[in-house]
Amino acid sequence: EGQLLESGGGLVQPGGSLRLSCTASGFRFSTYAINWVRQAPGKGLEWVSEISGSSAEIYYPDSVKGRFTISRDNSKNTVYLEITRLRAEDTATYYCVRQVLRVFDIWGQGTMVIVSP
Amino acid sequence: DIQIAQSPSSVSASVGDRVTMTCRASQGLSNWLAWYQQKPGKAPKLLLHYTSTLHTGVPSRFSGSGSGSTFTLTINSLQPEDFATYYCQQSNSFPLTFGGGTKVDIK
Repeated sequence: EGQLLESGGGLVQPGGSLRLSCTASGFRFSTYAINWVRQAPGKGLEWVSEISGSSAEIYYPDSVKGRFTISRDNSKNTVYLEITRLRAEDTATYYCVRQVLRVFDIWGQGTMVIVSP
Repeated sequence: DIQIAQSPSSVSASVGDRVTMTCRASQGLSNWLAWYQQKPGKAPKLLLHYTSTLHTGVPSRFSGSGSGSTFTLTINSLQPEDFATYYCQQSNSFPLTFGGGTKVDIK
């Protein structure tokens, strides 16, 4: 079974930027869409982006469009999420998730982003 | 956007109980509804997809049903390891959305 490992989280000042990485292993990475889902402390799950295996299709909810950019490098089995103009409400654990047949079947352990002065 | 109302937000139950929770979407989902289980400090895990299809390795005490815009997750004979928070999620259309969660705790 495959695995996903996120990295790049940390403490960032409001207005700053951050790039999260998600490295996959154990499956044919380039054939799967990858998503990012975040969870604010004590709150529910929020989907924030999806990229298809070929990068041809990319989706965001309106709530993050213009500030979040998802990309991938299939030669490195890695997906990236760049977040700019960070706000306090972006504070959350960010999960990288594999999607198959519209289902989130493999989740990473998450990386925490804290936006604070 | 499709909104999902998940109820109840919490339920107290005992080992051996049957627990049911519901998700009501603001429009029909064509059965594209999945359920996830999350324990504190851990990532969610897929339980069921396409309304009622059990994910590999998930015990048969978990079952899903529903159609249109109303869906149900049932846990038969609750086990100690089932105390967790459960989320439904629709993948019928973008943006993908989750229900607010149902926390199952010990009575």
